[in-house]
Parts: sequence; structure tokens; C-alpha cells
Amino acid sequence: SAVISQKPSRDICQRGTSLTIQCQVDSQVTMMFWYRQQPGQSLTLIATANQGSEATYESGFVIDKFPISRPNLTFSTLTVSNMSPEDSSIYLCSGPGGGDTQYFGPGTRLTVL
Amino acid sequence: SQQGEEDPQALSIQEGENATMNCSYKTSINNLQWYRQNSGRGLVHLILIRSNEREKHSGRLRVTLDTSKKSSSLLITASRAADTASYFCATDQSGGSNYKLTFGKGTLLTVNP
Repeated sequence: SAVISQKPSRDICQRGTSLTIQCQVDSQVTMMFWYRQQPGQSLTLIATANQGSEATYESGFVIDKFPISRPNLTFSTLTVSNMSPEDSSIYLCSGPGGGDTQYFGPGTRLTVL
Repeated sequence: SQQGEEDPQALSIQEGENATMNCSYKTSINNLQWYRQNSGRGLVHLILIRSNEREKHSGRLRVTLDTSKKSSSLLITASRAADTASYFCATDQSGGSNYKLTFGKGTLLTVNP
């Protein structure tokens, strides 16, 4: 199974600022994924981060708001830009762990004031 | 409605009892996965069942899949207080090519000691 870590684990930010979340996988993976979990809700896929190409965003999510980097096969970052209180969520990254299984990082709990 | 709908939304049982959670989905799938989330933390992968499988076991967990009814169930036997968590089903509709998961709304399980 893949081991995935995220930094920071939580943060409290002021509206209008940006936060970059880091995700590290302990093995090389072709695709990494970023999800958002709003309070009391399920997970929604934001985008697929592919190494060497632009991220693929799901409907309702745009690159200007959630720019993603994927500099190598073990690392990705998600930036939440120009934050508002509505961006308060848990952000999780995931990667395939073999056999079609997805493994998730511990999440970043973001609160925007 | 959303792909991957769990019911019940909340379930409260006594320690030692069995807990059954159900998940329904709308489109053809490659596989269905169950995850556990403790109190807004990261997701823990429990079990994956493929579209050509009908039942799988892992320890105290039993998962069934009925593709004709587009539904799955997760049974936790002899529940423990430590099983208290939210449980999500997630479907992979990609045919195994891109690992994107669509999550249900989840069932909040409370096991009372």
C-alpha cells in the first residue's frame, strides 16, 4: 500500500490570501488526485494531477482558483487561491496503490476567516 | 441524485452488534471501494470489490455487490466502539484507466460501549 503524507495538517487563514498544500507519496505514481470535503459532506474530486502535463479539472473547479503542480512522480501541490470562508474544507490528496486501490493522505483542514 | 448513495445516513448500535450499510449507484462501474473516516481525518481504505465479484471478506468486514441492482452492502460483524466512524462507498467508473472515484454521502456509524 502507498503511504501518503500532507502538509500542513491544518491551517487558519484570512480571506483573500492563498494556501499551498503539499502531498508526498512514498512511491512513484502516474496520477495523483485532489479532493475537497466540505463540512459534513462527502468528497468531491477537484482535479487529476498528471506528471508532465496540465492538471485535469472537474466541472466546477478552475485552474485560477486551484492551481496544481506536479513536478515529479511522488509529489504534488494544490493552492487554494484568494480564499473565502466558503473554501473552508478538508483537502485530501490520493494516489493509486496497486490493484485499482486508491490511498489517501491524512487531509488538510482549512479554516478561512 | 449523486452516484454512490449510502443508507442509512446515520446508524447507532451497541457494541457486539452487527452493522449493515448500503450503497447504491447509477452507472456501470469497474469496481466499488469502501472507506472509513474517523472524525474528519484521512480516509482509510477498507475493501475493494470488482464488478465481476459478488462477495468479499476481510476480517470482520463483508462486502457484497449486486451489479443488476447497482448496489453494495458493507457488513461489520461484532462491532466495537473503535468502529465508530463515517463510512463511504466510492465507485470507479473508469474501466481501470484513470482511477477517478465518485463518493457517496456516507453513513455515520456510532457504536456505543
